[in-house]
Amino acid sequence: DAGVTQSPTHLIKTRGQQVTLRCSPKSGHDTVSWYQQALGQGPQFIFQYYEEEERQRGNFPDRFSGHQFPNYSSELNVNALLLGDSALYLCASSPGGWNEKLFFGSGTQLSVL
Amino acid sequence: DQQVKQNSPSLSVQEGRISILNCDYTNSMFDYFLWYKKYPAEGPTFLISISSIKDKNEDGRFTVFLNKSAKHLSLHIVPSQPGDSAVYFCAATYNTDKLIFGTGTRLQVFP
Repeated sequence: DAGVTQSPTHLIKTRGQQVTLRCSPKSGHDTVSWYQQALGQGPQFIFQYYEEEERQRGNFPDRFSGHQFPNYSSELNVNALLLGDSALYLCASSPGGWNEKLFFGSGTQLSVL
Repeated sequence: DQQVKQNSPSLSVQEGRISILNCDYTNSMFDYFLWYKKYPAEGPTFLISISSIKDKNEDGRFTVFLNKSAKHLSLHIVPSQPGDSAVYFCAATYNTDKLIFGTGTRLQVFP
């Protein structure tokens, strides 16, 4: 049983560019949440997708957007990248819109130069 | 505003001894608390949780204690094993809202 898979694992971009990160949830899960983990910090909630709609959103600017597809996979898009966007981006899945006992992927390490 | 705080960035414990990781929170509305463990190059994995209606939950070597009056919870690992060496995150939520994580404590268990 495949867990949560994320791609790519590492990414290097320059300021001002746009990036798309991808996530496939654990089998049987229909809810995907995205978190940003800066160096030395805990994961911070970006947003959650359930039934192809953004259900909740954290304190992140509109440069951060997402999408969920009918097969429950999800994308995180970040526009106009800033140096401060450098972080580990974690995708987590859960069943039925739940937020507890999330299953996390290994993350995408984004470096903005 | 850091609603969930882990004030000890690191902890070193000898194998076989007890590891105690602490977490404080400020929001009295939190009704569910979780601990996650994270190895390098991996995502966090769920370890143990506790509802605010309980004060203790035990799962094998892991026990979580909740003191609501002090807004404090702790994770006890007994006995500690080298494989427990990882970063431990405390997280909290209310009404199934988003998880709010602490900054983590790096546990090192040495022989």
